[in-house]
Amino acid sequence: DTGVSQDPRHKITKRGQNVTFRCDPISEHNRLYWYRQTLGQGPEFLTYFQNEAQLEKSRLLSDRFSAERPKGSFSTLEIQRTEQGDSAMYLCASSLARVGTVNTEAFFGQGTRLTVV
Amino acid sequence: KNEVEQSPQNLTAQEGEFITINCSYSVGISALHWLQQHPGGGIVSLFMLSSGKKKHGRLIATINIQEKHSSLHITASHPRDSAVYICAVMNYGGATNKLIFGTGTLLAVQP
Repeated sequence: DTGVSQDPRHKITKRGQNVTFRCDPISEHNRLYWYRQTLGQGPEFLTYFQNEAQLEKSRLLSDRFSAERPKGSFSTLEIQRTEQGDSAMYLCASSLARVGTVNTEAFFGQGTRLTVV
Repeated sequence: KNEVEQSPQNLTAQEGEFITINCSYSVGISALHWLQQHPGGGIVSLFMLSSGKKKHGRLIATINIQEKHSSLHITASHPRDSAVYICAVMNYGGATNKLIFGTGTLLAVQP
């Protein structure tokens, strides 16, 4: 296993189009996170999965955004009717939470850079 | 005011210099990450710590829980250390272990 992988690495789309990103976490990692990073800023939390259950969503995640992790392995993040303000780096991270362990180290993918023109 | 503040925002150093990047946070945390991000975008975790000090090669990270402050030190800096260094904290009591990030410190090490 080579770590967290994201696809595509870059996406240019026209305003109003739908886009979908994929994240493959490290095998057996039960936690998966999506973050968004705009230019010059630190990443911001979007949503979190424990196995296949989406347990938390940020208010940054408008109704145009949807994320799934259907089998508790890979995850997809879809943005409908993209806007120029959606242009950002979308980062995926995964971690393994064990019973009795409070802190879990997160491992990040390379990110998908979205440009909406 | 951001929950995680880093200083400086930008740092230029000469090769070989000792570098310190600081991180202060205002929330209770269970752990703190130091991360490195290169221009391509990918983030690499350097350290996760909840107390004391950790060392890995030329990198040293310290944390003072009482003062809510952490530092990342780079000894004998090299141009390949040029990157954005990001401090991120895990909010204490949160079940998700999601991270709250600082805005990063852009480090440029000149030969």
